[in-house]
Amino acid sequence: GIQVEQSPPDLILQEGANSTLRCNFSDSVNNLQWFHQNPWGQLINLFYIPSGTKQNGRLSATTVATERYSLLYISSSQTTDSGVYFCAVERYGGSQGNLIFGKGTKLSVKP
Amino acid sequence: DAGITQSPRHKVTETGTPVTLRCHQTENHRYMYWYRQDPGHGLRLIHYSYGVKDTDKGEVSDGYSVSRSKTEDFLLTLESATSSQTSVYFCAISDPRTSGRYSYNEQFFGPGTRLTVL
Repeated sequence: GIQVEQSPPDLILQEGANSTLRCNFSDSVNNLQWFHQNPWGQLINLFYIPSGTKQNGRLSATTVATERYSLLYISSSQTTDSGVYFCAVERYGGSQGNLIFGKGTKLSVKP
Repeated sequence: DAGITQSPRHKVTETGTPVTLRCHQTENHRYMYWYRQDPGHGLRLIHYSYGVKDTDKGEVSDGYSVSRSKTEDFLLTLESATSSQTSVYFCAISDPRTSGRYSYNEQFFGPGTRLTVL
């Protein structure tokens, strides 16, 4: 099946710093989503981005489908950005809706 | 939050007992999903439904059954719970659509149910 690898697995930042999270996937995809799981366990949708670039406030994401990777940029990080960031993909031609998740990047933002 | 609720939010049960988790949505979404989240594995799909009484297996379906008798409710049943089914269970919804060669299927997740099987 399709493999989804996220890096780095852990990241510690000082408040105000910028960061880039990476998601590599091993096959063509229909669907790619980025989620933030906050410390209370809630999964929050950040981006639906099977290709191209999107921005939402301090966050932006870019997916280069032909090279099978996606990047999530966090600028001017805040303590509320702490949590785990997941990339999830739906393989092209696979079962509709079967999102395959990476293992996540755990981000800790220190005040 | 896409109008998704899950019940119960926490449950502790004993090995061998039946358990049913409920996902309820209020916005008439067509697809519903059950995932489990375990340390080191991210989330994995258990079963999904593409309409009333239409369900299919996901990646980790062994030991689980599902039912969807009405649009708003998707039930996950553990017929005889085992300790390996201790996990956090998430329900999700989506409304897939296709336009030409492009498909759209963004999923939104409920708050989760923490299940402990002793």
